Amino acid sequence: GAVVSQHPSRVICKSGTSVKIECRSLDFQATTMFWYRQFPKKSLMLMATSNEGSKATYEQGVEKDKFLINHASLTLSTLTVTSAHPEDSSFYICSAYMTSGSLNEQFFGPGTRLTVL
Amino acid sequence: DAKTTQPPSMDCAEGRAANLPCNHSTISGNEYVYWYRQIHSQGPQYIIHGLKNNETNEMASLIITEDRKSSTLILPHATLRDTAVYYCIVRGPGANNLFFGTGTRLTVIP
Repeated sequence: GAVVSQHPSRVICKSGTSVKIECRSLDFQATTMFWYRQFPKKSLMLMATSNEGSKATYEQGVEKDKFLINHASLTLSTLTVTSAHPEDSSFYICSAYMTSGSLNEQFFGPGTRLTVL
Repeated sequence: DAKTTQPPSMDCAEGRAANLPCNHSTISGNEYVYWYRQIHSQGPQYIIHGLKNNETNEMASLIITEDRKSSTLILPHATLRDTAVYYCIVRGPGANNLFFGTGTRLTVIP
């Protein structure tokens, strides 16, 4: 089956630093990837759609200058949380959209837990 | 995409069938019903999807009412590892993004 990985799985950083999270589709190419954020006991909230070779599309209320997304290849998208603050602490999950014949599905990564001190 | 309504929580005895309902009364004719689940601190996992007909795979069965305004996900023999939050999502054929509601927290009891 399609596998999506994320790295790191968890990160703790100091307030004001930037953190980069990688999302990789391991056995398929994905022109589109998605980034979600999930706070404790809440549902997943779509942050942005990452398109290979073009700018990401951000959902309303998500600061594009704070959450930088780069989708430089068909198997890698990165999310950089710039100048992180404690309120950015959350579970960040990516997904990769696979299109193959009649199959058009999203496959999710295992998530990255970010804690900002 | 149409909105879905699910009960916030359900319990099920281990080995019994778990029936998780979902209401999607505003669903359009070309929108699919998808089910995902999320085990604690993991990414969501695809379970099943359908348009009109009932569907079955190795994980579950999906029963969609004739008017398509509601559906039920059935886990035929629930195990402790099925404890998770189950999300019912309605998605159009041309859309590739998913919008998650609050889901149903299923607890399988020994």
